Parts: sequence; structure tokens; C-alpha cells
Amino acid sequence: NAGVTQTPKFQVLKTGQSMTLQCAQDMNHEYMSWYRQDPGMGLRLIHYSVGAGITDQGEVPNGYNVSRSTTEDFPLRLLSAAPSQTSVYFCASSYDRGGSPLHFGNGTRLTVT
Amino acid sequence: RKEVEQDPGPFNVPEGATVAFNCTYSNSASQSFFWYRQDCRKEPKLLMSVYSSGNEDGRFTAQLNRASQYISLLIRDSKLSDSATYLCVVYGQNFVFGPGTRLSVLP
Repeated sequence: NAGVTQTPKFQVLKTGQSMTLQCAQDMNHEYMSWYRQDPGMGLRLIHYSVGAGITDQGEVPNGYNVSRSTTEDFPLRLLSAAPSQTSVYFCASSYDRGGSPLHFGNGTRLTVT
Repeated sequence: RKEVEQDPGPFNVPEGATVAFNCTYSNSASQSFFWYRQDCRKEPKLLMSVYSSGNEDGRFTAQLNRASQYISLLIRDSKLSDSATYLCVVYGQNFVFGPGTRLSVLP
């Protein structure tokens, strides 16, 4: 049972480059989300989705896009990478929007130079 | 005021000690509450959900006080393997994470 799978685990980008962080879950979860975690700060919500075709912004959405074309996949796109986007990114899913616990992927460590 | 606040830590305790973590939240409409543990450079993992009547899972006891908007986690008989950062998580319209409290259990 794979759970939540994130790729890549590590990535280095130059300022201005774009990339997509992949996230897939095999638990048929409705709710999927992306967080970033920076030293000394809690996890902050970037974008989330409550089902296929539905996405919404979280606390820190600027510079990121998402889409949810299927229940399983929720990719996060960095449009033009900036050093301020250096962070650890986690994808997480939950059974529904009613507050069931989140299940996390292994994380992506992104460095933007 | 942050939405979810936790003891700043770090907590350094000897093996076998009892340690308590506190968490407060500001959104009175919050519906669900959790404790997660996060090991260094790893993803958060669910430790336990927190229910209104309080709940226990082995050496771990969680309490919720809705009137005071306060959540606690008690760890009894600490083990070296309990060393981690403990995250308080509150769900209202979305999940909001506290900054975490680092625990080091010393031999």
C-alpha cells in the first residue's frame, strides 16, 4: 500500500526555472493539499483540493499553481522559481473534508539558487 | 496571535520521565484536533487524534478543553525513541499546524 507518493525527493533549481512536484495517493482520498515547511515555522498551506476539478488557495499560494484532474494526482507547479521558495514541500491527503487525519508524503527538499 | 501555539521547547528529559506538551488554538469553531510527531528531516506522522472526552494510547494521553481552547499531550515512561518534534494540529476550515515542540529523551 503506497499511500501518498511524492517525487522528486530532492531538487535544485536556478532562479526563474519552472518545475512540477508530483503527488499521488492510492487511498481514494477526496482531500489533497500542499504544505511548505521552513525552519522555525509550522507547516503552511499552499493550495488544497476537495475533489477532482476543485482547487483553492491556502495561506501562501503566490508563485504556485495546482490542478486536480483526477482523484489520485495533485501536482504543484512552481512557475518561476525564486530563492524564497527554498523549502521542504509536503503533499498530504485526507479521506474527506470533514477533518479526518492527514496522511503525508515523504517530502521534497527544494533549493533555489 | 498565531492560530495554533505550542510550548516553545526544547524539552530535554531523562528516559522514564513523564513529559507534557501544551497547545492553544484561537479558532473556537475548530472541529478536529490531532497530535503528530515529526522526526528530523521526515514527514509528520499521526500520533493520535484528540477527542473531547480525552483519550489514551499506551503511554500517550491526549486531552482537549474546548472552553479554554487548549490541547495537551502527556507522555509517560519516555523512551529514547520518543525523541522527535511534536506538532499540534487543529482543523477548522483547513488544517492549521503549530510550530512544534522538540523533545529529546536522554539516556
